[in-house]
Amino acid sequence: QLVLTQSPSASASLGASVNLTCTLSSGLSIYSIAWHQQQPEKGPLFLMKVNSDGSHIKGDGIPDRFSGSTSGAERYLTISSLQSEDEADYYCQTWVTGIRVFGGGTKLTVL
Amino acid sequence: QVQLQESGPRLVKPSGTLSLICAVSGDSISSNNWWSWVRQPPGKGLDWIGEIYHSGSTSYNSSLKSRLTILLDKSKNQLSLNLSSVTAADTAVYYCARLLVAGASGGYFDLWGRGTLVTVSS
Repeated sequence: QLVLTQSPSASASLGASVNLTCTLSSGLSIYSIAWHQQQPEKGPLFLMKVNSDGSHIKGDGIPDRFSGSTSGAERYLTISSLQSEDEADYYCQTWVTGIRVFGGGTKLTVL
Repeated sequence: QVQLQESGPRLVKPSGTLSLICAVSGDSISSNNWWSWVRQPPGKGLDWIGEIYHSGSTSYNSSLKSRLTILLDKSKNQLSLNLSSVTAADTAVYYCARLLVAGASGGYFDLWGRGTLVTVSS
């Protein structure tokens, strides 16, 4: 079964760094995922695709403060030098033939 | 600059049909991408609805398949969504999205519309 697990919430201070985690269900550690940001009252924005080898491809205009990495079945989104506009919901997404799946999302609060 | 713009009725009666259009500008719906619909119930997460390729091939969420039709209009460079027999559970913001192909099994959403809130209520 294709499931992506995310912590419901995270918080970090202005100017600090934060790691958000997306865990692929058992046996799916080779899968790539995509990260999307959704600021309050806005549509989602594609941030990056993260591959199983840790390489990532970012969307147009996404700042260098955003990066992706991998460890086993976990895919990470790291945001450094946190800014107030980074306060948003973050969703991971993956795919198999005929199915697209989202994680439940992580609400990031910037303190 | 590629843009996706959703439009359609904001209020649909229970048991009726929800119909939306997504107008695509800056890219051709005949390009090597899938064109998708995603929805988000109020206060909840994102749910994939389904998608269509320029060949007309479709892929639907199994939970909606019996009620769902997604079509392309190449002359207008747009796609449409029809969801029949709606209930209050179908109340959501509906997003149009481009799915960038990343291998034989699918891909990821690399471009999103702003979304439109559709409420199912009498």
